[in-house]
Amino acid sequence: SQTIHQWPATLVQPVGSPLSLECTVEGTSNPNLYWYRQAAGRGLQLLFYSVGIGQISSEVPQNLSASRPQDRQFILSSKKLLLSDSGFYLCAWRGTYEQYFGPGTRLTVT
Amino acid sequence: AQTVTQSQPEMSVQEAETVTLSCTYDTSESDYYLFWYKQPPSRQMILVIRQEAYKQQNATENRFSVNFQKAAKSFSLKISDSQLGDAAMYFCAYRRVLYNQGGKLIFGQGTELSVKP
Repeated sequence: SQTIHQWPATLVQPVGSPLSLECTVEGTSNPNLYWYRQAAGRGLQLLFYSVGIGQISSEVPQNLSASRPQDRQFILSSKKLLLSDSGFYLCAWRGTYEQYFGPGTRLTVT
Repeated sequence: AQTVTQSQPEMSVQEAETVTLSCTYDTSESDYYLFWYKQPPSRQMILVIRQEAYKQQNATENRFSVNFQKAAKSFSLKISDSQLGDAAMYFCAYRRVLYNQGGKLIFGQGTELSVKP
């Protein structure tokens, strides 16, 4: 069966520091992968998606970036965090119809 | 562009009773998928139910069922025999059938459901 992992689970970072969040998927090959951000417990905003290694589509212009160095690895990065980057970050992979989500990373920028 | 609207920020139901959560969406496409996801306090997103737009029959998963009104672009979730474990944020989501946008989901803003014992 497929499993999706995210780490770290919780992160507290100062403004201006770099960021790296990692997502890995097991049990499937060449999945479509997605990064979402959820602010204040409300709706999810799609940040990036990837249909294959090295292929990244950005949905929202911002100071974040994403990379897919391996088939089942998806990384969300920033060179300098802003206060507005605080939130809950979810990674997902696409099944036949729906998406399946990881446990998420809670990021607090101080 | 497609949009999803959940007009009820909060709902409350008595344990063992039935509650209906509302969702409307806007699209010019005829083929798509609709979903309800549940997000409990752990914040793990859990798929509750899926509806394919080409199917007239409403989807059902145990105590969860939907009322899909394609012409009205309405997709409500009914929870029967509510349980304390149903307390969560519920999100309605839309996805195009075509994959030229990567199969991304468009979410509503969510409805916070509380269950009273």
